[in-house]
Amino acid sequence: SQQGEEDPQALSIQEGENATMNCSYKTSINNLQWYRQNSGRGLVHLILIRSNEREKHSGRLRVTLDTSKKSSSLLITASRAADTASYFCATGASADGLTFGKGTHLIIQP
Amino acid sequence: NAGVTQTPKFQVLKTGQSMTLQCAQDMNHEYMSWYRQDPGMGLRLIHYSVGAGITDQGEVPNGYNVSRSTTEDFPLRLLSAAPSQTSVYFCASSISGRGYQETQYFGPGTRLLVL
Repeated sequence: SQQGEEDPQALSIQEGENATMNCSYKTSINNLQWYRQNSGRGLVHLILIRSNEREKHSGRLRVTLDTSKKSSSLLITASRAADTASYFCATGASADGLTFGKGTHLIIQP
Repeated sequence: NAGVTQTPKFQVLKTGQSMTLQCAQDMNHEYMSWYRQDPGMGLRLIHYSVGAGITDQGEVPNGYNVSRSTTEDFPLRLLSAAPSQTSVYFCASSISGRGYQETQYFGPGTRLLVL
């Protein structure tokens, strides 16, 4: 069963605006990761945040983690057309690997 | 480094046929895994390996076999293909045997259509 659930399922914004995606999960985790997938391609790792961390930054990306609410958010600032992709959260909780959500499809309008 | 490579990129099978999806990595990673991605379902773990000679089942292992005779290779075998196995298959690897604690490096995927 899938642990992480992203919200919204789809998001369309204008270039230059900020995009926020949320992820909720059900059980205790060791870490939470965000991945990007361009159409027809493999997944690319964006950020890993561990359960004892609350916020992480990488370039235009900001990830927060609230373990009390079992939720995470991914913020992409100053969006670009190249950010158009699907974004997945994945939780690492046990030895059998990551559990992925269904993804948020982000469209950046020029 | 080539990273994680997968072959073939696309395959069409008839129901009942068997085939092997190849996955190789040149990063000396211990952990390797196979996922399938279906529309609206995200990725689901099929099998994984924490090192050569060690494999285990993931969330959806039925109909698939794996082996890990070398660190580099982790083939996925479909014994008797079924239409329900139509999907995109991704192989991934990470540095140590604790794959769930680490960044996963994904291959480009294999699109499989079972008629």
